[in-house]
Amino acid sequence: DQQVKQNSPSLSVQEGRISILNCDYTNSMFDYFLWYKKYPAEGPTFLISISSIKDKNEDGRFTVFLNKSAKHLSLHIVPSQPGDSAVYFCAASDYYGGSQGNLIFGKGTKLSVKP
Amino acid sequence: NAGVTQTPKFQVLKTGQSMTLQCAQDMNHEYMSWYRQDPGMGLRLIHYSVGAGITDQGEVPNGYNVSRSTTEDFPLRLLSAAPSQTSVYFCASSYSGPYRGHETQYFGPGTRLLVL
Repeated sequence: DQQVKQNSPSLSVQEGRISILNCDYTNSMFDYFLWYKKYPAEGPTFLISISSIKDKNEDGRFTVFLNKSAKHLSLHIVPSQPGDSAVYFCAASDYYGGSQGNLIFGKGTKLSVKP
Repeated sequence: NAGVTQTPKFQVLKTGQSMTLQCAQDMNHEYMSWYRQDPGMGLRLIHYSVGAGITDQGEVPNGYNVSRSTTEDFPLRLLSAAPSQTSVYFCASSYSGPYRGHETQYFGPGTRLLVL
């Protein structure tokens, strides 16, 4: 059973508008969450992370929100730019819960930002 | 720093052949791992290592072997390739990995493998 779910395989947004990518998880032991961005034919690159003791983390145009009670996190990109077009992976780890901190990834959401 | 490097970039194998995917990092990272990415499946952990001489299995280890004789290198071996192993393989590393809990993993560019 999938522990990290990204239910939207794709998302299309107009340049300058907000992009919101969603991620749900089932394992309440997850204590660290990350977002990775992946361009075609390249490896994933780290974007932003959040610890379970926080509910928000911001880095420039990127903000991640964590709702522990709903087991939900989201990535907001404001304003969206054409260069943001990529596949975004949500990942989680549960060091104290037995996975030894190994990352568990969602299936990814392909974001297309149109000029 | 070159970061995480992987060779080859692309490989075609016949069923039953063996090969080794190379991964190296020059960041003195203790933790290294291998993932495979299949369409619609995200990234799945194959094997990982928390330091030289220490390896362990991930989510999908069958058909793959690893070893970690140095901090820098973490090769992935396919002993007898099968079509189900057609995938894109990514190597990743982080400074101290799971035993610090909250570490960012850095990924290599990937190896695209086709098994006929």
